[in-house]
Amino acid sequence: DQQVKQNSPSLSVQEGRISILNCDYTNSMFDYFLWYKKYPAEGPTFLISISSIKDKNEDGRFTVFLNKSAKHLSLHIVPSQPGDSAVYFCAAVTSGTYKYIFGTGTRLKVLA
Amino acid sequence: GAVVSQHPSWVICKSGTSVKIECRSLDFQATTMFWYRQFPKQSLMLMATSNEGSKATYEQGVEKDKFLINHASLTLSTLTVTSAHPEDSSFYICSARDWKVRTGQETQYFGPGTRLLVL
Repeated sequence: DQQVKQNSPSLSVQEGRISILNCDYTNSMFDYFLWYKKYPAEGPTFLISISSIKDKNEDGRFTVFLNKSAKHLSLHIVPSQPGDSAVYFCAAVTSGTYKYIFGTGTRLKVLA
Repeated sequence: GAVVSQHPSWVICKSGTSVKIECRSLDFQATTMFWYRQFPKQSLMLMATSNEGSKATYEQGVEKDKFLINHASLTLSTLTVTSAHPEDSSFYICSARDWKVRTGQETQYFGPGTRLLVL
């Protein structure tokens, strides 16, 4: 049972435009969400997180939106840059469990 | 962000041998570390949770006698793949939990991964 889903395996965006990566979850006990970026043969790099008490968190070019009623979160990257090309994973966790549940990832390609 | 290292980054071994992978948190203390495995084009699969000074907690389907975990200090956890076989070939990634007491915020920081190839 996939509790965290990223339904788009890949996404291509023109440089300078906005990239929107989506993530859906099923477990209502999740209360903390994170986005990671991963290059091939490397470990994931933490990008941004959001607690369930918020619906938006912004850090530079990265903004994460959380819609608890829809059990949906998204990562917006604007403007997109070629260096953003990577696989992006969303992760969800229930406080106190420490156990992150990862989505299957979305491969973002930013075209120059 | 915080730095987590893994060693080795690449290992090729013969079937039947054991391989040890080290995971270190370089600039913070981590009472909890995690070991993941990633298959090609798939997500990260949590194998076990490593707690400093106590036994690791393994996920369902992960053989604890096959994947030995030791968390001897607040900055070091090791994963030993015992009697490795070709099906153990994979990309192994560790992470360390950094918990800020003051803010209550926690984040897992990942190591760069270890690619294991068992011949």
